[in-house]
Amino acid sequence: EAQVTQNPRYLITVTGKKLTVTCSQNMNHEYMSWYRQDPGLGLRQIYYSMNVEVTDKGDVPEGYKVSRKEKRNFPLILESPSPNQTSLYFCASSLSPSAGNTDTQYFGPGTRLTVL
Amino acid sequence: GESVGLHLPTLSVQEGDNSIINCAYSNSASDYFIWYKQESGKGPQFIIDIRSNMDKRQGQRVTVLLNKTVKHLSLQIAATQPGDSAVYFCAENIRGGSYIPTFGRGTSLIVHP
Repeated sequence: EAQVTQNPRYLITVTGKKLTVTCSQNMNHEYMSWYRQDPGLGLRQIYYSMNVEVTDKGDVPEGYKVSRKEKRNFPLILESPSPNQTSLYFCASSLSPSAGNTDTQYFGPGTRLTVL
Repeated sequence: GESVGLHLPTLSVQEGDNSIINCAYSNSASDYFIWYKQESGKGPQFIIDIRSNMDKRQGQRVTVLLNKTVKHLSLQIAATQPGDSAVYFCAENIRGGSYIPTFGRGTSLIVHP
């Protein structure tokens, strides 16, 4: 089954304790991205990756890191989480945008993060 | 900055009715639009998309209309069913621009049996 998986689905942590949220897709997609979803604000893109070893900032990259060492995986790293990073996080993937056309994105089930 | 928004935060309909969800965008350079459905506890799911060279596109029970003159996008759901209850939001992007789509805040559709 074609899917995007995220782990963990729920996480409660404390300020400053480094954490990683994993994301994996089995569709051989080149493009992957991370979003956060907050009430009243909708989805905002944190980082995206056009392909292996190619990453770039989205709208709200501060406080986050990503890596793309393999095509299928795109982990989101919070080196020193803060309470304002409490949110619902989604990973997404799609075929490579060609000529600037963003293809349909497939979203993971989400990770609910609480930073105390 | 320019943004995508939705007119109504909540829409309640009776089962069998047709539903219309609206979206306004302000960036005239936007040329690709997508509607997503998000059920409670799940990630967004693609419904239908439309490019700016089209005014209308139909899928299974859904139709998207694009009015570039007034920068307005709508999603029509025919014969709405309880399973259609979800949050719907539109997203826009720009051909040749950054790969950072802009998402609206969402409209909650409630379908009463």
